[in-house]
Amino acid sequence: DTAVSQTPKYLVTQMGNDKSIKCEQNLGHDTMYWYKQDSKKFLKIMFSYNNKELIINETVPNRFSPKSPDKAHLNLHINSLELGDSAVYFCASSQLVGDYYFGPGTRLTVT
Amino acid sequence: ELKVEQNPLFLSMQEGKNYTIYCNYSTTSDRLYWYRQDPGKSLESLFVLLSNGAVKQEGRLMASLDTKARLSTLHITAAVHDLSATYFCAVSFNDYKLSFGAGTTVTVRA
Repeated sequence: DTAVSQTPKYLVTQMGNDKSIKCEQNLGHDTMYWYKQDSKKFLKIMFSYNNKELIINETVPNRFSPKSPDKAHLNLHINSLELGDSAVYFCASSQLVGDYYFGPGTRLTVT
Repeated sequence: ELKVEQNPLFLSMQEGKNYTIYCNYSTTSDRLYWYRQDPGKSLESLFVLLSNGAVKQEGRLMASLDTKARLSTLHITAAVHDLSATYFCAVSFNDYKLSFGAGTTVTVRA
C-alpha cells in the first residue's frame, strides 16, 4: 500500500521523443507536485496542483505539460525531449500544514 | 524569491563524534522540513518543525528551529555508519511549494 507511486521507475529515450510519467497517491491529499532533481542533487519545484487545479508553474518550458484527472493522480507529459531533461523526477503530495510525501522517483535519461 | 542555504555541503564524520548541519533561509516561514536521501532512493521525512523554538529528536538526530534567526540546525550525536546519506532542509513559504537547500552529503568513517 505505497503512499505515492510513480511509473515508470526508469525511462531511457532518445532526443525528440515524447514520454509520460504517471503518479498516484492514496493518502487523500489535496495537493500534488512534480519536483526535478538534477545531477547535482538539487531539487526544484516544477508544478503544484490543488484539487486538480494548477497552482504553481515554476517557469517550466511548455514542453512539459502536467495533467491531473482527479486529485489522486498527477501525470507529467514531456514533448520533444532534450538532453537537459535528463534528471530524476519526483512526484509528491501533501495536505495543508502537513508533511510532504515523495514518490520513489523516475530516472529519465535522454540520449 | 525564497533562498535556502545549507552548510556544509559535504561533511566527513568520524564515528562517535558530534556534528551539526545548518540551514538558513531568506524569508519568513514557520514550517521547516528535514529529509534524508540515500543514493538512488526517494526522500525520507525526518522532521517537520512548525513553530519557533521547536525541537524534535529521533535517535541520534535532533532538529531545531529559530524562526527569528531564520535558522534550523540538524545535530548528529555520536555518528554511526548508517547515517551516511544526503540530508536536505526545505522551507515552505506558502502551502503549495517547498524550497530546498542544496543538500549536505554526509559520509561517516570509522
